[in-house]
Amino acid sequence: AQKITQTQPGMFVQEKEAVTLDCTYDTSDPSYGLFWYKQPSSGEMIFLIYQGSYDQQNATEGRYSLNFQKARKSANLVISASQLGDSAMYFCAPRAGNNRKLIWGLGTSLAVNP
Amino acid sequence: EAGVTQFPSHSVIEKGQTVTLRCDPISGHDNLYWYRRVMGKEIKFLLHFVKESKQDESGMPNNRFLAERTGGTYSTLKVQPAELEDSGVYFCASSHGQSRATGELFFGEGSRLTVL
Repeated sequence: AQKITQTQPGMFVQEKEAVTLDCTYDTSDPSYGLFWYKQPSSGEMIFLIYQGSYDQQNATEGRYSLNFQKARKSANLVISASQLGDSAMYFCAPRAGNNRKLIWGLGTSLAVNP
Repeated sequence: EAGVTQFPSHSVIEKGQTVTLRCDPISGHDNLYWYRRVMGKEIKFLLHFVKESKQDESGMPNNRFLAERTGGTYSTLKVQPAELEDSGVYFCASSHGQSRATGELFFGEGSRLTVL
């Protein structure tokens, strides 16, 4: 069974600074994808970024980037130039093979301070 | 384009009662998923529809839960009879049938169920 570990239940960052949210996963599947979702207080899950296990380069999407270390099975999310609107819960969720079922971590609560 | 919508946003019922949650996916999305988050625990997969067919229902907790997707459009998730441990937030998500590169899921805002 897959297991996802997000070791930081809560994080604080100063506005305009960068922050890294950790995620490690445990899967035996050779092919998988990794998603990061953001959940603001409104409750909706918002897709942020995706990394395929065979992608040669780390994924980037605007202010979001992934520090993907396949051998270590980690996919840390880096948010640059934090904004107050980044305050939310962040979830790491791998998906193995063709099954679109996501496996979720407990999430990290990020608070951006002005 | 409308996103995934869920109703009700919050439901409070007593143990033993019945509740039906509804999800309207994004138009044209063949894949529809139900997930649940119980407080303090990970979000858990419940089931996956492809159009009107149940592709994977391995996450359904027990036979008190019944999910349907009439005509491959909206879906309902019925809990009957509800128990205290059913309390949580039920998320619905949808995605395209044909794979985009990422197979991104679009989520609704969730339906919070409180069983007293």
